[in-house]
Amino acid sequence: DAGVIQSPRHEVTEMGQEVTLRCKPISGHNSLFWYRQTMMRGLELLIYFNNNVPIDDSGMPEDRFSAKMPNASFSTLKIQPSEPRDSAVYFCASSGDPTQYFGPGTRLTVL
Amino acid sequence: AQSVTQLDSHVSVSEGTPVLLRCNYSSSYSPSLFWYVQHPNKGLQLLLKYTSAATLVKGINGFEAEFKKSETSFHLTKPSAHMSDAAEYFCVVREYNAGNMLTFGGGTRLMVKP
Repeated sequence: DAGVIQSPRHEVTEMGQEVTLRCKPISGHNSLFWYRQTMMRGLELLIYFNNNVPIDDSGMPEDRFSAKMPNASFSTLKIQPSEPRDSAVYFCASSGDPTQYFGPGTRLTVL
Repeated sequence: AQSVTQLDSHVSVSEGTPVLLRCNYSSSYSPSLFWYVQHPNKGLQLLLKYTSAATLVKGINGFEAEFKKSETSFHLTKPSAHMSDAAEYFCVVREYNAGNMLTFGGGTRLMVKP
């Protein structure tokens, strides 16, 4: 298996633009997680899906952030409009048992 | 509720000397416990996991951890550090009734001196 796949790996955009991050979980995993990592705040859970249904989105910082999982093999995290403080590394992880497997991350820079 | 405390934010060792990264957890139920490693500009990689089988768990790259219920600890050790071990290490806990949600410790940055 290729593991969790994220795209793009790097994204540089200007403030106010829409950003869409993509994730393909490991086949057969029924849970998917989006995390954000910054130097200041460390690793934060943004949202968690189980069987394509959002279970806990209490970590989503504000309405500018939204996440979808239209099917078991694809999820998106969208930021609209983006702001400089959204600059971070965004990780997607998937799980079929207690163990979560992480993707390589998307490094987002908002200028 | 579950929580994880990594007692040292930074640990520095010399190459060839033992490594000890300390982790204490709090959990109302029998937890699953994990160590992840993150090398600079990389994603998180699973190092090892404890899921109520043997209390001494062996992982990749020569690392191991021992689950001690009486001490609520899950310290990570390696007999001899290598330069390539320099990274950030995260201790993670999951309670059995938490679904697949994990609680992460704050991380320990391991530095290895030549």
